[in-house]
Amino acid sequence: NAGVTQTPKFQVLKTGQSMTLQCAQDMNHEYMSWYRQDPGMGLRLIHYSVGAGITDQGEVPNGYNVSRSTTEDFPLRLLSAAPSQTSVYFCASSGAQETQYFGPGTRLLVL
Amino acid sequence: SQKIEQNSEALNIQEGKTATLTCNYTNYSPAYLQWYRQDPGRGPVFLLLIRENEKEKRKERLKVTFDTTLKQSLFHITASQPADSATYLCALNDYKLSFGAGTTVTVRA
Repeated sequence: NAGVTQTPKFQVLKTGQSMTLQCAQDMNHEYMSWYRQDPGMGLRLIHYSVGAGITDQGEVPNGYNVSRSTTEDFPLRLLSAAPSQTSVYFCASSGAQETQYFGPGTRLLVL
Repeated sequence: SQKIEQNSEALNIQEGKTATLTCNYTNYSPAYLQWYRQDPGRGPVFLLLIRENEKEKRKERLKVTFDTTLKQSLFHITASQPADSATYLCALNDYKLSFGAGTTVTVRA
């Protein structure tokens, strides 16, 4: 199993550009989530999904959209990138055991 | 929502000693608490989960305690090794999983 995969690994955007961060998991997990990690602030939940077709907002959802059309995929869309969205983004999935499995992360720089 | 505080951002210890990390939380007690390890440039990796009705849990050289009265969890790395150098995150469930900022442990040979 590949676990949780994320693409791209690194991205540079200009302010106002849009992009989609991809996340996929092959563990048949129902629960998937997106976090951002900034120095000294820990992981903050952006959006999460408890199954295909069901998404909800986390702690810091503004400026981000998600959708969940399949169990495997959970893309995160930045609508109009801002410098404040410079961060490292992690996707995670979990099954019934509550343990979260994280992807390798996407490092985003917004100029 | 929960506020989670992990003691000091960095902990430096000598190889062979025990590292003790603290995770304090406010508000109501969660049903369970988890500890993760994160290496530079990588995603967090799950280490241990302890439930509210469990006082202590062990895994190899790792030990976690959970005191719902003090609203605190302690994470111990015994007989520490340089390979244990990493950032350790505690996480607990609210309506979602909330993470502390982490404590970076450096083990000197």
